[in-house]
Amino acid sequence: AQSVAQPEDQVNVAEGNPLTVKCTYSVSGNPYLFWYVQYPNRGLQFLLKYITGDNLVKGSYGFEAEFNKSQTSFHLKKPSALVSDSALYFCAVRDGSGYSTLTFGKGTMLLVSP
Amino acid sequence: EAGVVQSPRYKIIEKKQPVAFWCNPISGHNTLYWYRQNLGQGPELLIRYENEEAVDDSQLPKDRFSAERLKGVDSTLKIQPAELGDSAVYLCASSQDPGLGQPQHFGDGTRLSIL
Repeated sequence: AQSVAQPEDQVNVAEGNPLTVKCTYSVSGNPYLFWYVQYPNRGLQFLLKYITGDNLVKGSYGFEAEFNKSQTSFHLKKPSALVSDSALYFCAVRDGSGYSTLTFGKGTMLLVSP
Repeated sequence: EAGVVQSPRYKIIEKKQPVAFWCNPISGHNTLYWYRQNLGQGPELLIRYENEEAVDDSQLPKDRFSAERLKGVDSTLKIQPAELGDSAVYLCASSQDPGLGQPQHFGDGTRLSIL
């Protein structure tokens, strides 16, 4: 069975500082990894994905994520946080073979203070 | 392009009543998903459609939940009768080609409250 762990319920960072939201995963085959962001009373919005290729993936709004196969991690990063980045972030994984289900983590609330 | 459209946005009903949610996916997206998101949790898949065929409904509580996707476009998710534990946000998503790693695009969901 595949799974995702987001070890931090909440991450606090000051505006302008770098941010990291952690994600580790477990999947039997090659992983397809995704990050989504959810604002209050809204659906999930796609940020970036790793399918294959370069381990550093760049996505929307200045976010990036680094795939680390040996540590089975896919941490989300941003060099300089904005107050508007405050939201709920979800990591998700699926087995890259066929049409397996996408499994989501429980989410990490990011709070960026002015 | 227009995103995934869901209605209604909010629904409050008494337990044992029926309720239905509607979803219009992004044009050209053959794969459609219904998820349930409980408070403080990530979305959990209820059912996945490829065109009009339900290809994964293993997590759908079939005693009270049903879904359809007529003509392979719009979809409806129904609960009858609703129970207190069904209070959640019901999300619809669509994808163009998930087998190639295309992401899922989500609607804003229907927040269901059972009294």
